[in-house]
Formats: sequence, structure tokens, C-alpha cells
Amino acid sequence: DIQVTQSPSTLSVSVGDTVSIACRASESVGTWLAWYQQKPGKAPKLLIYKGSTLQSGVPSRFSGSGSGTEFTLTISSLQPDDFATYYCQQYNTYPLAFGGGTSVE
Amino acid sequence: DVELLESGGGLIQPGMSLRLSCAASGFTFSKSAMTWVRQAPGRGLEWVAGIGGSGVNTFYAESVKGRFTISRDNSNSTVFLQMNTLRVEDTAIYYCVRGLDTPDDYWGQGTVVTVSS
Repeated sequence: DIQVTQSPSTLSVSVGDTVSIACRASESVGTWLAWYQQKPGKAPKLLIYKGSTLQSGVPSRFSGSGSGTEFTLTISSLQPDDFATYYCQQYNTYPLAFGGGTSVE
Repeated sequence: DVELLESGGGLIQPGMSLRLSCAASGFTFSKSAMTWVRQAPGRGLEWVAGIGGSGVNTFYAESVKGRFTISRDNSNSTVFLQMNTLRVEDTAIYYCVRGLDTPDDYWGQGTVVTVSS
């Protein structure tokens, strides 16, 4: 099974900062990787799929990059609404797998 | 509008069974793959099971394989998760998801399952 690892687990940042979250898969997933945002008490929200494609309605300050085993979610000029937990997820191979999450605080 | 309404959660003893339902509306249900994702208290997301639009293809996490069964009733736009031999570690919010990882990605609000003696 493919394992997915995120780093760091916590990020302490300020409004206006540029934030980068790393995601590593234990074997190549091509570009079959998605990023989700979750706020407390809410269901996750899809931000990016296929490695770098922005989901409709998601602000352009969010971007995804990478392929194979190394991926990055970047948030440019962090806004107050962006404080949340972020998860990456591979969907190249079953069983699908989420990373452990990164809390942006 | 798209709507996914999960039900069937509750408090149950270890070793017992529970069936979750997810009633869908607002889209062509039979054309959508459906997924169950869970989140234990204070923990991250865990993919549990998925099913294709026709119901023929099903997929499971290793942690639930042999104990959980995903199925669907396209005539009633409902997806199910039959959970047998429940364990304390199955305690979680269970989310029903349409089109995971696609532009049609949509999550229900979840149903809470608590396994405890």
C-alpha cells in the first residue's frame, strides 16, 4: 500500500505569509494527488486535484505542484480564513490514502 | 442543489454491527462513484471504502476489509456502509463523499459512530 507523509505537522504563521506544505508518497502516484482544507467541526473541502488543478471557486492564492512522490501546497499571502488543517491524498492506487495533516495556526 | 444526508450512526458495543446510509439528491446518482471517509476524534482523515457507479467495483482500506461492506441502491440514490464486528478504534465521524478527488467532489456533514462498552 502507498503511504503518504506530510510535513510539517504544525505551522505557526502570520497573515500575509507565504506557506508551503510538503507531501511525500512512498511510491510514485504520478499527479494523482489532491489537497483538502478542513476547519474545526466542518467537512473537508477540496482545494486542488491532479497535483496542480485548482478546484472551482478556490482562491488563486492556493497552488499545488509536484509529481511522482514529492508534492507541495503553497498558500501565497495567507488570509485569516486560511487558518485550518490541510491534508494531501493520493488516488493513484487503491487503497487510497491521506497524509496525516498539517495544522496552519 | 447537491445534498448528501448520512444517517445510522450511534453508540454501539464492540463486536456489534451497524449500517450507515447516505441519501443523495441533486445529481445523477448512478453516474457517481461514492466513498466513505472517517475521522476519529482529534485525528486525521482515513479513507474507508469506495464503490463505482454501477456498484460492481468496490474497494476497502485494509483496516476494515472483511468487516465492512459498501453497497448502493441506485433506484433510491442511497449508498450504504455495513459495519460488522465493530471495534473501539472504529469510533469516528463517517463522511459520505461524492466524486472524491474530482471536480464533483462533495462531502456530507457526517454521522458519528461511537464504539464503546
